[in-house]
Amino acid sequence: GAVVSQHPSRVICKSGTSVKIECRSLDFQATTMFWYRQFPKQSLMLMATSNEGSKATYEQGVEKDKFLINHASLTLSTLTVTSAHPEDSSFYICSARPTAGKNIQYFGAGTRLSVL
Amino acid sequence: GENVEQHPSTLSVQEGDSAVIKCTYSDSASNYFPWYKQELGKRPQLIIDIRSNVGEKKDQRIAVTLNKTAKHFSLHITETQPEDSAVYFCAASSWGSQGNLIFGKGTKLSVKP
Repeated sequence: GAVVSQHPSRVICKSGTSVKIECRSLDFQATTMFWYRQFPKQSLMLMATSNEGSKATYEQGVEKDKFLINHASLTLSTLTVTSAHPEDSSFYICSARPTAGKNIQYFGAGTRLSVL
Repeated sequence: GENVEQHPSTLSVQEGDSAVIKCTYSDSASNYFPWYKQELGKRPQLIIDIRSNVGEKKDQRIAVTLNKTAKHFSLHITETQPEDSAVYFCAASSWGSQGNLIFGKGTKLSVKP
């Protein structure tokens, strides 16, 4: 149980295009999901907290117009990197916290974004 | 806000030895402390967690201790095996912050056969 699916696992795109990443909780409902960014050999940096049915809460320094988050259902959150640039290239990981139960986060497998 | 410090950044041990990773946190309201293991290119996997009403928790070769007064918690791995090699992250959170996890910078553990 407690599986989080993240797609795509890898994406290569041209500079200026937008990329959408999906995060799904497969066997549980998640009112809250989280989006992280991870640079090589570094820790997970929280970008934003996604709440079902409301606006996401962004961490300081994260541009909300650049990283659009939508949490339209209790099992799906999406992150759209708009007008991607090479500096946006990174490993993006989502996590989901079950609505019922403990304060535990289950992680997706991550998305490797490369912007040319 | 919460700040989590993790040490050491790298740790190399011989197979069979014990490994200890330490973390400190700043927010006294934090009450949940998970440890994640991340292998190269893979997702972080929760390996053990502890809550502030408990001082120690053990699961086979893995144990976590928490000193709430000193605001530090540690991961202990005994009888290490090569497959324990990975990056380990500690984290802290509180319900008051929507459960946001604040991660330490990670410890790269290498277990030499």
